[in-house]
This record gives sequence, structure tokens and C-alpha cells, in this order.
Amino acid sequence: EAQVTQNPRYLITVTGKKLTVTCSQNMNHEYMSWYRQDPGLGLRQIYYSMNVEVTDKGDVPEGYKVSRKEKRNFPLILESPSPNQTSLYFCASSSPGQGRETQYFGPGTRLLVL
Amino acid sequence: EDQVTQSPEALRLQEGESSSLNCSYTVSGLRGLFWYRQDPGKGPEFLFTLYSAGEEKEKERLKATLTKKESFLHITAPKPEDSATYLCAVQVRDNYGQNFVFGPGTRLSVLP
Repeated sequence: EAQVTQNPRYLITVTGKKLTVTCSQNMNHEYMSWYRQDPGLGLRQIYYSMNVEVTDKGDVPEGYKVSRKEKRNFPLILESPSPNQTSLYFCASSSPGQGRETQYFGPGTRLLVL
Repeated sequence: EDQVTQSPEALRLQEGESSSLNCSYTVSGLRGLFWYRQDPGKGPEFLFTLYSAGEEKEKERLKATLTKKESFLHITAPKPEDSATYLCAVQVRDNYGQNFVFGPGTRLSVLP
């Protein structure tokens, strides 16, 4: 089954404690993205990756890091989480070319930073 | 600044009562406009992509249309299972074409 998986699905942590949210896709997609979703603000893109070792900032990259060492994986790293990073996070993947950019989203990771 | 707005914020319909959701955008260069459906606690699910003004796409009770400034999602004779949040997104920028700007969504409730 074609899918995007994220782990963990729920996470409670404390300010400053480094964490990683994993994302994996099994569709051989070149593009992968991370979003955060906050009430009233909608989905905002954090980072995206065009292929292995190629990443770029989205609209809200501050406080986040990403890496793309393998095509299927795109982890999101919070080196020193702060309460304003409490949010619902989604990973998405897609392929290039008109008609193929449909993004497939993961189930989401709900993060609470105390 | 690229911006996407959606209206109304929330909409309650009786089963069978048709209506439309609006997505307005101001972007520097539109590459595509996407509609998604999102159920509570789940990731967005793709519905349609539109690329040029005048284009229309249909799927079951849903029909999406696009003009130069906005898109409409028409819902004909909705059923309770159509209840969800509907998100609109525009694909912008020329570098890799992977920058997406989402609207805040319209929360649709269809009552039996």
C-alpha cells in the first residue's frame, strides 16, 4: 500500500530536549516536505527536499533542521524545542512534473512542548 | 507576499443542500491550485489540481473551478459523509516548484 508514515504520532517533551520526528514514504517520490498546522493559520511549509542531499527552506524554517540521506526518509529535527513549536506536524511526498505533484500526506505527529 | 484565503470559515448544510466554497489567492506566479479534504485527526487527502483559468474538474458530488483570482469548490446534494475541512493550496515559485501556500480551510458540516 502506497503511504507516508510518521513516528511518533504523539509526543510530549520539555523545552530544550532535542527530538526527531521520522518520515518515510514507499512511493519512490523525489519530493518530500514538512508542514506544521496551527488553528487559524492553516498548513505552513517548514522545509522541503527535491531529492537526496537537496533541501530548501519553506516559510517557517526557524528552529528546525532536516536531512535527506536516503530517498525514502526525511526526518525533522528540533535541536532545542520551545513551547511555540507545539503544533501538529505533517510530512508529505510527491513527484515532479505537471499532473504528478499531488502531495500524499502522512497521518500527522502531535507535539506538545512544555 | 503570496496569500491564500478561504471563505466561509465554517459552513453548515442540510443533506441535499448544494453550496460553494471559495478560495481566493494573490501569488507572484501560480503553477497550480490544489484542493484537499481533511478529516479530524488525519492528514489532508488530495481531491483536485487545476492549472489554468477556465479549467474544471469533477469527482462525485464535488466540482472545482478556477479563475485568475479564485477557485470554487461546488458541492452538489451533499451527504453527511462529506463533512470535513476543505483546504485550498497554491503551488508557487519557479525554483523547484515545491513551495505550497495553504489557505486556513473551510469546515463543512452536513446534517442528516
